[in-house]
Amino acid sequence: AQRVTQPEKLLSVFKGAPVELKCNYSYSGSPELFWYVQYSRQRLQLLLRHISRESIKGFTADLNKGETSFHLKKPFAQEEDSAMYYCAPDSGTYKYIFGTGTRLKVLA
Amino acid sequence: DAGVIQSPRHEVTEMGQEVTLRCKPISGHNSLFWYRQTMMRGLELLIYFNNNVPIDDSGMPEDRFSAKMPNASFSTLKIQPSEPRDSAVYFCASRPGQGQETQYFGPGTRLLVL
Repeated sequence: AQRVTQPEKLLSVFKGAPVELKCNYSYSGSPELFWYVQYSRQRLQLLLRHISRESIKGFTADLNKGETSFHLKKPFAQEEDSAMYYCAPDSGTYKYIFGTGTRLKVLA
Repeated sequence: DAGVIQSPRHEVTEMGQEVTLRCKPISGHNSLFWYRQTMMRGLELLIYFNNNVPIDDSGMPEDRFSAKMPNASFSTLKIQPSEPRDSAVYFCASRPGQGQETQYFGPGTRLLVL
């Protein structure tokens, strides 16, 4: 069965500290990997996707096919990064399966 | 483009009442999704439409839930009768096609059933 796991419900870090939000997936085929972000009381929006290999707001994500992981990283967290982050593999069918999300709190 | 539009933004109703949530996808997008977001279960896909046709409604929790898409620019999600456990944020999202593409979310409807 297709599954995505975000093991941390809540991650608290201090401003300026490195951040890593974990995402592991179990999918057949070659899914495209997405990270979505939801700031307080705002709509979900795309943060980044694997195929574009961009760095958005200082975040990057590396696909590790061997470990089937797509962890989101940022070297220096900012207070404005506090938000809910969802990992979402897309297998090419219509069906996204979102992870349960990780709430990131960046402390001053 | 204003993006995906949802209404109402907030809804408070009493148990047993009918609730109708509305969504206008981005023009030109032919895939539409309804999601429910709760603290306990995160984001759950309720139903998916492609070209106005319901493709997968396996996420719809019960017969009390129904969704329609009468045309490419409008969809509704109806709960009748509503129950307190339906309280959640309901998101609509659209996508240009069926492939591995970004989904664009609406602002959500925050539903509270008393």
